[in-house]
Amino acid sequence: NAGVTQTPKFRILKIGQSMTLQCTQDMNHNYMYWYRQDPGMGLKLIYYSVGAGITDKGEVPNGYNVSRSTTEDFPLRLELAAPSQTSVYFCASSYPTGGDGYTFGSGTRLTVV
Amino acid sequence: LAKTTQPISMDSYEGQEVNITCSHNNIATNDYITWYQQFPSQGPRFIIQGYKTKVTNEVASLFIPADRKSSTLSLPRVSLSDTAVYYCLVGDNQAAGNKLTFGGGTRVLVKP
Repeated sequence: NAGVTQTPKFRILKIGQSMTLQCTQDMNHNYMYWYRQDPGMGLKLIYYSVGAGITDKGEVPNGYNVSRSTTEDFPLRLELAAPSQTSVYFCASSYPTGGDGYTFGSGTRLTVV
Repeated sequence: LAKTTQPISMDSYEGQEVNITCSHNNIATNDYITWYQQFPSQGPRFIIQGYKTKVTNEVASLFIPADRKSSTLSLPRVSLSDTAVYYCLVGDNQAAGNKLTFGGGTRVLVKP
């Protein structure tokens, strides 16, 4: 049971480039989330999804897009990368009731230069 | 979502009990209290969740007074490996699109 898998683990982007952060879970969780964590700070919610085909904005969605075509996958797209998007990105998933908490991936460390 | 307040940091020594208190004055009737642990360069890990009174598992205990305006995470006999950031979150588990907000957390440093 792999849980939540994120790829890549590290990436350096140039300003203006685009990329997709991949996230897949094998726990059949309905809910999936993308968070970003800046150094020394807590996690901020970017986007979330309650099921395939349904996504919604979180606290800091600007500069990002998501899609949810399957239960398992929830990719995060960065268009026109900016230095302000330098951060660690975490994907998470959960059951709707949340009783077992969120399961997080190991993160993607992104640097925009 | 209810806002939470917790200490920025705490120091402890191996073998001691660590208690971290979280304030959540605006907690709603349907809100649960959840604690996560995060080690450097890792994603947060679910520790414990409760609604009222006391919850205990193999890792920690969670104490919630009757008014539910605060909660205390108790880590018994900590070791060096318990050095981490601990987050207190409050939210409605049953709400569609339940999306928890992580504050700054409490940095716990366990010393030898």
